[in-house]
Amino acid sequence: QVQLVQSGSELKNPGASVQISCQASGYIVTNYALNWIRQAPGQGLEWMGWINTNTGHPTYAQGFTGRFVFSLDTSVNTAYLRISGLRTDDSAVYYCARPLGGSDDFQGYWGQGTLVSVSS
Amino acid sequence: QPVLTQSSSASASLGSSVTLTCTLSRGHSGYIIAWHQQQPGKAPRYLMKVEGGGSYNKGTGFPDRFSGSSSGTDRYLTISNLQFEDEAVYYCETWDSNTQVFGGGTHLTVL
Repeated sequence: QVQLVQSGSELKNPGASVQISCQASGYIVTNYALNWIRQAPGQGLEWMGWINTNTGHPTYAQGFTGRFVFSLDTSVNTAYLRISGLRTDDSAVYYCARPLGGSDDFQGYWGQGTLVSVSS
Repeated sequence: QPVLTQSSSASASLGSSVTLTCTLSRGHSGYIIAWHQQQPGKAPRYLMKVEGGGSYNKGTGFPDRFSGSSSGTDRYLTISNLQFEDEAVYYCETWDSNTQVFGGGTHLTVL
């Protein structure tokens, strides 16, 4: 069955970098787009952007340019989110998600989330 | 881009029914939306898609107590025979031009 398994929680100092992984199983990662979504503490879901898993081309939503990088390693069926220059307001749970399929682009499968805490 | 509007909270009694609403911005009445359920401390989970004509398609694992419908720019999620495990935040989502949009979420409390 389709699963997206994310890496574990991270505790980082301000200014550091973090990389979150999202390993796909049950399907080939290049067959579907991969989205990243942020959820700040007590807040709603915020779409960060997506990566075209065929071309590796990322698209970033407004507010997620510059310090955020989406990448892919097809040899291990895994997508990555890297955040550099971490700030305290980057503290959040980050989700990867995949469309259900067909012509529908909404998220059909979600990773379990990765908590990133930024604190000195 | 479409905007999705949801009430921040709703409540209903155990065993009763509740309808949650997701409203699309003007000019987007034909858009499909998806509902996601996020139980406390868990990741969101795809629940169903609702089309402009009112048809809906549920994801796996959700009982028949969950249904969807539509009217104009409103998309509805109805939960009947409410159970305590239905207490969650329900988000709607749509997309346009390779951009995903989420509503602010409705926190459902089961009394």
